[in-house]
Amino acid sequence: AQSVTQLGSHVSVSEGALVLLRCNYSSSVPPYLFWYVQYPNQGLQLLLKYTSAATLVKGINGFEAEFKKSETSFHLTKPSAHMSDAAEYFCAVSDLGGDYKLSFGAGTTVTVRA
Amino acid sequence: DAGVTQSPTHLIKTRGQQVTLRCSPKSGHDTVSWYQQALGQGPQFIFQYYEEEERQRGNFPDRFSGHQFPNYSSELNVNALLLGDSALYLCASSSQGANQPQHFGDGTRLSIL
Repeated sequence: AQSVTQLGSHVSVSEGALVLLRCNYSSSVPPYLFWYVQYPNQGLQLLLKYTSAATLVKGINGFEAEFKKSETSFHLTKPSAHMSDAAEYFCAVSDLGGDYKLSFGAGTTVTVRA
Repeated sequence: DAGVTQSPTHLIKTRGQQVTLRCSPKSGHDTVSWYQQALGQGPQFIFQYYEEEERQRGNFPDRFSGHQFPNYSSELNVNALLLGDSALYLCASSSQGANQPQHFGDGTRLSIL
């Protein structure tokens, strides 16, 4: 079964600094990968998705992620953090065909310091 | 264009009771998935419905059951509630296909006393 590991349960950054959230997947075959954000008392909002079209994926709110097959990674970055980026971020994976569920990582909570 | 809507937003039950949660998918979506998110954890897949049938199920007991209606809306039923069932229950809808992103509602917060 597919799984993802998010390194670091909490990340604290200064406003204007780089945001880097790490996600590694477990599969010999590149799966479909997603990043979601969850604000307090809300559901999950899709930031971006990788479905094998391009290795560098641009998403909403200035986020992007790079798929690296050699490292089985799909790390999320944003060049300059805003206060509004404070939230919980989840990496998720789904298999190619036949497995429709999303398997989520444990999440990374981002706090932004003024 | 309405997104995924869930009702109710909050619910308090006692052990042993039964609960029904409801979900209306985003317009144009025909597939509905349910997830359980315990406090401080990532969502866990419960099951997915497509064409009014349960297409895939996660590692949840038979106390968890569901239904999808002809208009694609869905219900999640949980019987014999346990304290451990306290969680945020998320509904997600999507179009057909594993690479289609799932769009989530704001969830139902279920508390078991």
